[in-house]
Amino acid sequence: GENVEQHPSTLSVQEGDSAVIKCTYSDSASNYFPWYKQELGKGPQLIIDIRSNVGEKKDQRIAVTLNKTAKHFSLHITETQPEDSAVYFCAASIRQAGTALIFGKGTTLSVSS
Amino acid sequence: GAVVSQHPSRVICKSGTSVKIECRSLDFQATTMFWYRQFPKQSLMLMATSNEGSKATYEQGVEKDKFLINHASLTLSTLTVTSAHPEDSSFYICSAKHNLWNTIYFGEGSWLTVV
Repeated sequence: GENVEQHPSTLSVQEGDSAVIKCTYSDSASNYFPWYKQELGKGPQLIIDIRSNVGEKKDQRIAVTLNKTAKHFSLHITETQPEDSAVYFCAASIRQAGTALIFGKGTTLSVSS
Repeated sequence: GAVVSQHPSRVICKSGTSVKIECRSLDFQATTMFWYRQFPKQSLMLMATSNEGSKATYEQGVEKDKFLINHASLTLSTLTVTSAHPEDSSFYICSAKHNLWNTIYFGEGSWLTVV
């Protein structure tokens, strides 16, 4: 089955800096890669996703890149703000098959002002 | 946007009792829903995949007789923790796959404390 590795487990940045979180996946059939932000005690919120037919997607300060050959995908947050502090999870699934999302272990991002 | 509601958000129950958690897709139909469990400072671990009108598919190591899943309609899946024990205390999160958009949306989670 699918296995998703996520790094780093913790990341501390200064406000205004960029933050990058990286994930790798094992199942070459996976074609859907969402990123979730989870605040303490709440459910995960989808912040951006990318499908395997696209190499990069951007939404304001957030971007995701995908390297299918290397089975890597990354989340990039620019101009970080204290409210970006949360746990971020990457995930992978086979979209059309409706398989469950398999999550990475999460990255705790701390943005200090 | 698509909304998934979980109820209750917090529940405390006594050891040996059963507790039911509901997961509803409020404004869309979801043939497939998923149940996850999350321990503090850990990732979401898939427990089972729930399909409307059929038996749930459980992940390895998840006791199907202990975690009963029912997906009786296109907008509701329930997870019943039977004969609960303190080690079942956890954050349970459901997600639902939008039938039309094929996108997965998560509920807000339910905190279960077994005393």
